[in-house]
Amino acid sequence: DTAVSQTPKYLVTQMGNDKSIKCEQNLGHDTMYWYKQDSKKFLKIMFSYNNKELIINETVPNRFSPKSPDKAHLNLHINSLELGDSAVYFCASSQSGVNYGYTFGSGTRLTVV
Amino acid sequence: GDSVTQMEGPVTLSEEAFLTINCTYTATGYPSLFWYVQYPGEGLQLLLKATKADDKGSNKGFEATYRKETTSFHLEKGSVQVSDSAVYFCALISSGSARQLTFGSGTQLTVLP
Repeated sequence: DTAVSQTPKYLVTQMGNDKSIKCEQNLGHDTMYWYKQDSKKFLKIMFSYNNKELIINETVPNRFSPKSPDKAHLNLHINSLELGDSAVYFCASSQSGVNYGYTFGSGTRLTVV
Repeated sequence: GDSVTQMEGPVTLSEEAFLTINCTYTATGYPSLFWYVQYPGEGLQLLLKATKADDKGSNKGFEATYRKETTSFHLEKGSVQVSDSAVYFCALISSGSARQLTFGSGTQLTVLP
């Protein structure tokens, strides 16, 4: 199936740990994104990569580091996890120059305890 | 900067009632407009879109018309079903931006049998 897939779906971890969330798209899109959805369902963009280059880096703590090994992958690494990092993280992709909107993954629910 | 304002929720309706969720926007140039839907426990799915003034997007009985004069993109459905219960997000991409999809705050819809 063509899609944006992210793993894991659920992640429970202790404060201070380091964790990664992986994202892959097989749609042939050239741009990938990470969004954070808080407990009130508000969605905020964190990062955007176009052809493996960072093009959007919103005000996000530098504990969050995206890594794009190729156009089809955009992973999110988080160092020294804090309670406030608990949220649902969505990966998405799109094709530049085409107004079809974004295709989203199913989300990773991160709980920091 | 770009922004999207959605009607506050939650919205509770009886099955077969008429639905309107208001959405207005502020953006430079001529943005593309979208409605996304998030079913419980799932990711975001594109519901419909419109890319220029007076375009009407439609899907699954939902409709929204791009009104440039009122900077609005209200979502409507003539007869809602229990299965329409979800969170609905209005969003835009500005013509001059780095294709950042900016979301409204979301509107929780619950349809009762």
